Amino acid sequence: DAKTTQPNSMESNEEEPVHLPCNHSTISGTDYIHWYRQLPSQGPEYVIHGLTSNVNNRMASLAIAEDRKSSTLILHRATLRDAAVYYCILRDSGAGSYQLTFGKGTKLSVIP
Amino acid sequence: EPEVTQTPSHQVTQMGQEVILRCVPISNHLYFYWYRQILGQKVEFLVSFYNNEISEKSEIFDDQFSVERPDGSNFTLKIRSTKLEDSAMYFCASSELAPVKETQYFGPGTRLLVL
Repeated sequence: DAKTTQPNSMESNEEEPVHLPCNHSTISGTDYIHWYRQLPSQGPEYVIHGLTSNVNNRMASLAIAEDRKSSTLILHRATLRDAAVYYCILRDSGAGSYQLTFGKGTKLSVIP
Repeated sequence: EPEVTQTPSHQVTQMGQEVILRCVPISNHLYFYWYRQILGQKVEFLVSFYNNEISEKSEIFDDQFSVERPDGSNFTLKIRSTKLEDSAMYFCASSELAPVKETQYFGPGTRLLVL
């Protein structure tokens, strides 16, 4: 899977929007962009995924750059429960691989 | 909402002992996975399982590890002779269909401590 780069940590105030960036300059045309998060002492949790177009779901929005070399996970209104490590993961639909390859992710702190 | 469950939540064992970690995937899911996370480190893939066979495994998943789906609901990870370095959080996950586009749903994990 292609490599992703994320900031080690970010802070946000409660009830403010949060933009979590991810760079993936070597992304291929068949790579899906997935975001998972891991709350403290819990298993990873799916957040959102996309291929080319921006995506919205009840948890977040995913904005994908036109050249697909970067993406941004947007939490519209951070809550204390959103404090977690957020992972940006590329998954190649052509590789036939089943695994999720986690990096170090971005640790998001939410300030009350 | 359906969820993946894992038992036990914590397990302490002596080095060299066998342990079996248990998981109940979401009922209509067909693909099953084990991951581990050593304290303070990344989540690492161990193995995936589909149609009663291992479909992919990592270098970590050596001969000391095995997986089994003994019945229609459980999915187990066995470590035959535990080592100190096997101490980690072990997560089970499952997905419904074709893995790349599909979401993997993770359980809460089993914390394994090898003494």
